Amino acid sequence: QSVLTQPPSVSGAPGQRVTISCTGSSSNIGAGYDVHWYQQLPGTAPKLLIYGNSNRPSGVPDRFSGSKSGTSASLAITGLQAEDEADYYCQSYDSSLSKVFGGGTKLTVL
Amino acid sequence: EVQLVESGGGLVQPGGSLRLSCAASGFTFSSYEMNWVRQAPGKGLEWVSYISSSGSTIYYADSVKGRFTISRDNAKNSLYLQMNSLRAEDTAVYYCAQGYGGYVGWFDPWGQGTLVTVSS
Repeated sequence: QSVLTQPPSVSGAPGQRVTISCTGSSSNIGAGYDVHWYQQLPGTAPKLLIYGNSNRPSGVPDRFSGSKSGTSASLAITGLQAEDEADYYCQSYDSSLSKVFGGGTKLTVL
Repeated sequence: EVQLVESGGGLVQPGGSLRLSCAASGFTFSSYEMNWVRQAPGKGLEWVSYISSSGSTIYYADSVKGRFTISRDNAKNSLYLQMNSLRAEDTAVYYCAQGYGGYVGWFDPWGQGTLVTVSS
């Protein structure tokens, strides 16, 4: 069981907006530690999507955005495209001296 | 272009040992912290170990503490993971990943991964 909780799956039609939640606790997200998001396309290594809660690395489309509030964070994807179909993971730091991941969310583009 | 290339994976019996390597290029390796992250088949990501740029600060996940040893050779632009007393549950793709933002930060980029299979 992961320290950070994500929905196992989400789906949306092309052009729609979807959000993926990441719920933590007072020892990680709620303690003020930043949340980062990764995209893992099938058969490939993870790729950084959002860092520091809401910052996009260069090259990441502005269709992807992140936010954080309290003990939770969210990744939003607007204008959904077929190539967005992938697994998405949130990551933070826990006061137990450990970097922690969410269990991952599989995004299906209908 | 930043490149991280892992090697050393393979099939090993339970209780055995394996040493993974990660060759870095395209950046000043000695200036960056590094990590190992693993992914069991069909499962999510699990952070394994962290090493600071100088190698003076090291952390491990509880699941590997006492069995795995992370190290680096800045002169050779290389990161290592010595894995001893391997168990079936250590079976995974192991990624090396450059770290940013200190120990509480993020991973970017990631290597392509090397598969470790622990089985008799």
